[in-house]
Amino acid sequence: NAGVTQTPKFRVLKTGQSMTLLCAQDMNHEYMYWYRQDPGMGLRLIHYSVGEGTTAKGEVPDGYNVSRLKKQNFLLGLESAAPSQTSVYFCASSYRDRGPTRDYGYTFGSGTRLTVV
Amino acid sequence: AQKITQTQPGMFVQEKEAVTLDCTYDTSDPSYGLFWYKQPSSGEMIFLIYQGSYDQQNATEGRYSLNFQKARKSANLVISASQLGDSAMYFCAMRELSGSARQLTFGSGTQLTVLP
Repeated sequence: NAGVTQTPKFRVLKTGQSMTLLCAQDMNHEYMYWYRQDPGMGLRLIHYSVGEGTTAKGEVPDGYNVSRLKKQNFLLGLESAAPSQTSVYFCASSYRDRGPTRDYGYTFGSGTRLTVV
Repeated sequence: AQKITQTQPGMFVQEKEAVTLDCTYDTSDPSYGLFWYKQPSSGEMIFLIYQGSYDQQNATEGRYSLNFQKARKSANLVISASQLGDSAMYFCAMRELSGSARQLTFGSGTQLTVLP
């Protein structure tokens, strides 16, 4: 059971370059999220999706775009990378309804470490 | 305004002793959940414990317990009998259940170091 898979795991970009981070989940979760983690700031929500074809802005959306064309995939795009986007990016997914089971929050991917030089 | 506040950037504890990591939160939603995650140096996020706002008893999971004081809006994590493997970053998070997207809001984290 793969859970949530992020690709790539590491990437170095030059300022102005573009790239796409891919998140794939095989748990049939309705909700998916992209966060960035920076020292001393915890995890901050970039964008999220509550279903196929729908996306919404989180706390820090500027400079990023997302798409969710298929339920299992959530893509994060950087159109013109900036050094301020150097960070660790986490994808996560969640069920819509908790149901009778214990709530564990999210299933996280393993993260992507992005450096923009 | 910060929704989740962790005031201890770093903590040290002697092996086999207990340690408390502080977390306070702010919400006007009567229905919410509180979570703690562990992030070891390898980087993955590991779920530790959950407390619902309507739960009458404090949550416990093995050596982890959550000291939930609703009136004070605090949700401190207590780790008993610390082990060297407990050295990691710890994040407190909250999910407001009236929200449509079930998103979590995270604190800034506490770096715990267990000393031999």
